[in-house]
Amino acid sequence: AQTVTQSQPEMSVQEAETVTLSCTYDTSENNYYLFWYKQPPSRQMILVIRQEAYKQQNATENRFSVNFQKAAKSFSLKISDSQLGDTAMYFCAFMPPQGGSEKLVFGKGTKLTVNP
Amino acid sequence: ETGVTQTPRHLVMGMTNKKSLKCEQHLGHNAMYWYKQSAKKPLELMFVYNFKEQTENNSVPSRFSPECPNSSHLFLHLHTLQPEDSALYLCASSQVSGGGAGETQYFGPGTRLLVL
Repeated sequence: AQTVTQSQPEMSVQEAETVTLSCTYDTSENNYYLFWYKQPPSRQMILVIRQEAYKQQNATENRFSVNFQKAAKSFSLKISDSQLGDTAMYFCAFMPPQGGSEKLVFGKGTKLTVNP
Repeated sequence: ETGVTQTPRHLVMGMTNKKSLKCEQHLGHNAMYWYKQSAKKPLELMFVYNFKEQTENNSVPSRFSPECPNSSHLFLHLHTLQPEDSALYLCASSQVSGGGAGETQYFGPGTRLLVL
């Protein structure tokens, strides 16, 4: 069974600085999908970034980028120019290449606090 | 907002009560999901409905009963719950194809459930 590990339960960063959240996963699949989700306090979980394993290029969305190391099964999230609104729980998730009903396997999350 | 709504947002119930959680998606998706989110644990997939048919039931106790009358609505009927069932219940939806293309799941805001 696939597992996702986020080794940092909590992190903090100063506004405008850069922070990296780590995520590792375990799978025997070759093609799969990886996601970072953000869950602000008392607000909806939203997608931050998505990576397809067969693409070597790291995904980027504005201030958010990933460092995808397939051989190491590592998928870290870098947040540049951190803003107060980035304060949230961040979840790394793995999706196997199953047709039909697809499901995400989530890590336990990292609580990120951006300090003014 | 993500296009997925859930009601109620908060619910307190006794162990002998019967209540229902409602989820509605306005995205035209064909798959819907129930997740349980407990503190310090990864999100747990409970049920998956694909084209209104239940395709996954991750060993969820029978005191949780899902219903999917159409592809836009999903219910979770609750009866004789236990205090350990207190958690945030999240609904999600996605557009699933048979080829397993790793479609993104969109989440609702959740229902915060407290069982006394």
